[in-house]
Amino acid sequence: DTEVTQTPKHLVMGMTNKKSLKCEQHMGHRAMYWYKQKAKKPPELMFVYSYEKLSINESVPSRFSPECPNSSLLNLHLHALQPEDSALYLCASSQDSTIGTGELFFGEGSRLTVL
Amino acid sequence: GENVEQHPSTLSVQEGDSAVIKCTYSDSASNYFPWYKQELGKGPQLIIDIRSNVGEKKDQRIAVTLNKTAKHFSLHITETQPEDSAVYFCAASSWTGANNLFFGTGTRLTVIP
Repeated sequence: DTEVTQTPKHLVMGMTNKKSLKCEQHMGHRAMYWYKQKAKKPPELMFVYSYEKLSINESVPSRFSPECPNSSLLNLHLHALQPEDSALYLCASSQDSTIGTGELFFGEGSRLTVL
Repeated sequence: GENVEQHPSTLSVQEGDSAVIKCTYSDSASNYFPWYKQELGKGPQLIIDIRSNVGEKKDQRIAVTLNKTAKHFSLHITETQPEDSAVYFCAASSWTGANNLFFGTGTRLTVIP
């Protein structure tokens, strides 16, 4: 079983809705990540939080708003999304934000459909 | 930035045969190369990784080789089993200062019983 838990597993929303994706890890990791994965494509980095501070934003549109309330939790707030934002959203964590220091643990993802 | 190419995109092998997936990278500063396995409906899971100070690493039926001069690395799976069927992604990252993994495009491996 994955040690990174994501909820919900599936989400359907309209373009005017506001929803949130949640991610939780209890491994004591200090870096957490949001990735977006389209069908048959590799994951694409969206955001990195290191020690609860946003350290990387890969030019993601403002309709995606990340939040890291504490070192174990990571949220992704969604507002006014477009149908092309439909994808699998993966949360990941690592011991540290320097990739080479260790493994990136992924959750099972939240599959988002925007109507 | 880093560009990682991965081949083949699909691979079918008979159970018990070996499978080889190859990746090339462009940034000579990259020095960490993990391989992820993604099963249907699940997130990617690390199966093996190698750092640039090592040429080869093995873990039971899985091995990875790295050629820094040629900037390519490969995943070798021996004695394949149906449960090895999945999408495999290679990735590259610079050890210092970088917070991003650059993924290859993925290889869908099918092991035929």
